[in-house]
Amino acid sequence: LAKTTQPISMDSYEGQEVNITCSHNNIATNDYITWYQQFPSQGPRFIIQGYKTKVTNEVASLFIPADRKSSTLSLPRVSLSDTAVYYCLVDDLDTGRRALTFGSGTRLQVQP
Amino acid sequence: EAGVTQFPSHSVIEKGQTVTLRCDPISGHDNLYWYRRVMGKEIKFLLHFVKESKQDESGMPNNRFLAERTGGTYSTLKVQPAELEDSGVYFCASSQRTGTNLRETQYFGPGTRLLVL
Repeated sequence: LAKTTQPISMDSYEGQEVNITCSHNNIATNDYITWYQQFPSQGPRFIIQGYKTKVTNEVASLFIPADRKSSTLSLPRVSLSDTAVYYCLVDDLDTGRRALTFGSGTRLQVQP
Repeated sequence: EAGVTQFPSHSVIEKGQTVTLRCDPISGHDNLYWYRRVMGKEIKFLLHFVKESKQDESGMPNNRFLAERTGGTYSTLKVQPAELEDSGVYFCASSQRTGTNLRETQYFGPGTRLLVL
């Protein structure tokens, strides 16, 4: 499994765009990149998933460069409610094994 | 639609006692997973059910942990006897079965916070 590296924590203010970068130098050809969000006292929640280039949904955008050795989760105009831990996961989706592999995550604190 | 529910939300027990955690998955989800985060560590996979069958038990730490899913609906995770290092948050997740090899999105419950004294 490819190891991921993320910043331990980040601070931002309401209304700003937040970009969280994840490094995954050993990503394999069949690996996908998935981001989960976890609020205090809750379980992780799926945000977005991608393989290459850019993916956008109603919550976030995911930017993946051509070499796929890193990825950036972009949260537009954050609010206080975006304060959470964000996990970057990298593994082979096309597999019989369903277990998710979580790293340490990035703790995002949004200030008013 | 109701999400994944877990009971109890918190449990405080003494070392050597038994605790049983319950998970009710989203209705219709054949896949059910248990994960846990012990103090200061990352969230770790424990096991995966497909309906009532254990598909993957590779994350179960030892034989003090017993998971069941009789009837393929709710699941229980029993810890007997509990040790201090079992303290942490136990999460349950469920997902639909798509019939392909691609992994389905997992929906997590709020977790059960277990403290062993």
